[in-house]
Amino acid sequence: AQSVAQPEDQVNVAEGNPLTVKCTYSVSGNPYLFWYVQYPNRGLQFLLKYITGDNLVKGSYGFEAEFNKSQTSFHLKKPSALVSDSALYFCAVRDLSGGYNKLIFGAGTRLAVHP
Amino acid sequence: DTAVSQTPKYLVTQMGNDKSIKCEQNLGHDTMYWYKQDSKKFLKIMFSYNNKELIINETVPNRFSPKSPDKAHLNLHINSLELGDSAVYFCASSQGPLAGVTYEQYFGPGTRLTVT
Repeated sequence: AQSVAQPEDQVNVAEGNPLTVKCTYSVSGNPYLFWYVQYPNRGLQFLLKYITGDNLVKGSYGFEAEFNKSQTSFHLKKPSALVSDSALYFCAVRDLSGGYNKLIFGAGTRLAVHP
Repeated sequence: DTAVSQTPKYLVTQMGNDKSIKCEQNLGHDTMYWYKQDSKKFLKIMFSYNNKELIINETVPNRFSPKSPDKAHLNLHINSLELGDSAVYFCASSQGPLAGVTYEQYFGPGTRLTVT
């Protein structure tokens, strides 16, 4: 079965510093990977996805993610964190069991950016 | 214009009651989903409909019954509510469920259900 793991419950970063939110995956076949962000009391918002091609994927709000096949990782990054980036971040993988697309989410990582 | 909307935003009810949550999307998508997010923020798919047809039905108690009157609407009815049903329920939509194409999903704002 497809799965993703987010090893950190929380990541703390000072504003202006680079940030990384980690995600590792376990899939059979080619991985289709996603990052979503959830702001307090809001629904999830799509940030970016990796399907194929360039290992560095650029997304919304200045975020990017690096796909690493040998390490089975898809870490989310941003060069300079903003306080407004503080939110809950979810990594997800596509699951095709049953013949239809569905997303399997990680447990989420809370990002706290301090002024 | 809200792309995916849900009503109500908050729902507080007693054990044993029956309640419904409604979802509407104006994105023209073919596929809609219901997810449950528990108190630890863990997010799990419950159901998916494509053009009013049920295509994904995870292991969910049969007290939960989704209904899709048309491809823009997906409602969730819950019978005999239990304490463990307390959670945030999210509706989502995407362009299609087909295995060969992977589209991102767009989420509604969520409905916080509290069962007392």
